[in-house]
Amino acid sequence: EDQVTQSPEALRLQEGESSSLNCSYTVSGLRGLFWYRQDPGKGPEFLFTLYSAGEEKEKERLKATLTKKESFLHITAPKPEDSATYLCAVHMNSGYSTLTFGKGTMLLVSP
Amino acid sequence: GAVVSQHPSWVICKSGTSVKIECRSLDFQATTMFWYRQFPKQSLMLMATSNEGSKATYEQGVEKDKFLINHASLTLSTLTVTSAHPEDSSFYICSASVNRGSGTQYFGPGTRLLVL
Repeated sequence: EDQVTQSPEALRLQEGESSSLNCSYTVSGLRGLFWYRQDPGKGPEFLFTLYSAGEEKEKERLKATLTKKESFLHITAPKPEDSATYLCAVHMNSGYSTLTFGKGTMLLVSP
Repeated sequence: GAVVSQHPSWVICKSGTSVKIECRSLDFQATTMFWYRQFPKQSLMLMATSNEGSKATYEQGVEKDKFLINHASLTLSTLTVTSAHPEDSSFYICSASVNRGSGTQYFGPGTRLLVL
């Protein structure tokens, strides 16, 4: 069965304390892996798409990387405004563009 | 770019009434739109996928007669919760995809539904 697992479920960091979030996947035929940020009571905000192992993308303090089994979202010197739930999703080799989401990592950055 | 809006942002209704939620892609034409629901502290659960001008494809366990989806144009999809009951209370989020092949979905801000 295809699965997307995110860890940790929750992460508390001090401002400036870098860390990584993990998304591991077991899917048959990955077409793309997506990272989204979701603030409480809002819809997810698109961050990155990764298509092949070895690919990396950066945006401000965030960098996403992809291997054949997992993806990491590295957060460098986080600020309180980076506090949110980060969702990982995979797009599989099927006829549709549906995404399968992980349960998310809730990040809290304290000043 | 890639902005998706939803209306209303929240709604309270009495049990037994129907509620319609609109999802619009504001600056692009969406080949496909999706409807999700999300319970507190849980991830998104896909309810259905809709393509403009054709019937929606519902996920297993989602009652198509209860959650009516209409995708009348490339920029508008609607979700109608018919005869709503308290257990239908949830956060409903739509998303839109420009290119079916890329998989990238852009999400609306969500609609919180409370059924009394």
